[in-house]
Amino acid sequence: EAGVAQSPRYKIIEKRQSVAFWCNPISGHATLYWYQQILGQGPKLLIQFQNNGVVDDSQLPKDRFSAERLKGVDSTLKIQPAKLEDSAVYLCASSLWEQGAEAFFGQGTRLTVV
Amino acid sequence: AQTVTQSQPEMSVQEAETVTLSCTYDTSESDYYLFWYKQPPSRQMILVIRQEAYKQQNATENRFSVNFQKAAKSFSLKISDSQLGDAAMYFCAYRSARGKNTDKLIFGTGTRLQVFP
Repeated sequence: EAGVAQSPRYKIIEKRQSVAFWCNPISGHATLYWYQQILGQGPKLLIQFQNNGVVDDSQLPKDRFSAERLKGVDSTLKIQPAKLEDSAVYLCASSLWEQGAEAFFGQGTRLTVV
Repeated sequence: AQTVTQSQPEMSVQEAETVTLSCTYDTSESDYYLFWYKQPPSRQMILVIRQEAYKQQNATENRFSVNFQKAAKSFSLKISDSQLGDAAMYFCAYRSARGKNTDKLIFGTGTRLQVFP
């Protein structure tokens, strides 16, 4: 089966610019996650969707980050305006809506803010 | 809040030897899941092994096995007969089993494993 698709793979922007990332989860996976992975750290959850509803966005910096999952399938994560500290790999993952289900990850988008 | 700690930033092992990666966690919950994920350089993260907290038997997947000590809140990964392809970042992760809407993965900071020929 096809895996989790993310684009772009790499993005370089200047601070204060905006950027958007796209994720297409595995077909049939109701749960979708966006994680931020700063160099040298473990992934940190930004937002979790169940179908097209938000389950957890407690660590999403809502003054600059936004995410949506229209129709409960694809998702986009946007940063506006970007700061230097937003430089990180943004990982998208999806899973079935079952307790303890395995999360499948995409290859991530590496964002560099200069 | 739950936390996951990996105290070994880097580990190295010779090919065909055995290595153990450490992980400890903190939680007040009694039911949860623990995972080890592998992240090769510039490649996506993949699941290595999973352990349900209610199971006393340690999980095993081919050359990978865990030592799950619930009382000590310890969850180490043993890689036997190490291969060059095992070189990667390894992340320990925790997931609550309280409900479907509380199942985010909480990760440790990772251990970089190097495998030498």
